[in-house]
Amino acid sequence: EIVLTQSPGTLSLSPGERATLSCRASQSVSTTYLAWYQQKPGLAPRLLIYGTSSRATGIPDRFSGSGSGTDFTLTISSLDPEDFAVYYCQHHDTLWTFGQGTKVEIK
Amino acid sequence: QVQLVESGGGLVKPGGSLRLSCAASGFTFTDYFMSWIRQTPGKGLECIAYITSSGRTIQYADSVKGRFIVSRDNPKNSVYLQMNSLRAEDTAVYYCARDRRDLMGGYYYYYLDVWGKGTTVTVSS
Repeated sequence: EIVLTQSPGTLSLSPGERATLSCRASQSVSTTYLAWYQQKPGLAPRLLIYGTSSRATGIPDRFSGSGSGTDFTLTISSLDPEDFAVYYCQHHDTLWTFGQGTKVEIK
Repeated sequence: QVQLVESGGGLVKPGGSLRLSCAASGFTFTDYFMSWIRQTPGKGLECIAYITSSGRTIQYADSVKGRFIVSRDNPKNSVYLQMNSLRAEDTAVYYCARDRRDLMGGYYYYYLDVWGKGTTVTVSS
C-alpha cells in the first residue's frame, strides 16, 4: 500500500505570499494518478489539480502542481484570502489514498 | 448542475445498522464509477469503497469489508452504502464522490471531481 506523506503539517503565511506544499509517496507513483484537493471547514474536499499538473475546471491559475516519481508539489503563487484551507494530495492504487493534509493558515 | 446529495446519516448504537444514500443529478450517472469516502479528525480521509458504473465490481477497504455493502440503482441515479455491525470507529462524515478514470492521450487519469456535502454518522451507546 502506497503511503502519502505531506509536509509541512501547517504553513503560516500572509496573503500575497507564495505557498509550497509537498507530498511524498512511499514508492514511485504514476503522475496521472496524483491529485490535489482543497477543503474548507464544514465543506467537502474540492478538486484542484489532477494528473499532477492539470487544473480542474474553474481553478485559478495561481494554483499549480508539479512532480514525478515520489515527490510532488502544489504551489499557490500568491495567496488570496480564500485560499486559507487544508490541502490534501491523493493517489489511486487499489482504492483512493490521501495524505494527512497541510493546513495553510493566516500568519 | 452536477450534484451529489447524501442522506441517511444519524446516531446509531454499536452493532447497529444504517443505510446511506447518494442521489446524483446533472450528469449521465451510468457513465461513472462512484466512491464512498469518510473523514474523521483522527484518521483523515479514507476511501472505503468504490463501485463500477455497471455495479458489477465493488472494491472495499479492509476496515469495512464484510460489514459494509455498496450498491447502485442506475435508473434512480443513486448509490447506497449499507453499514452493518457498526463500531465506534465508524463515526465519521461520509461523502460520496464521482470517480473519474479518463483515458486521455493514451494514459488513464484518476481523480474524484464531484463530491457531495457529506452526511454524519455517529456510533455511540
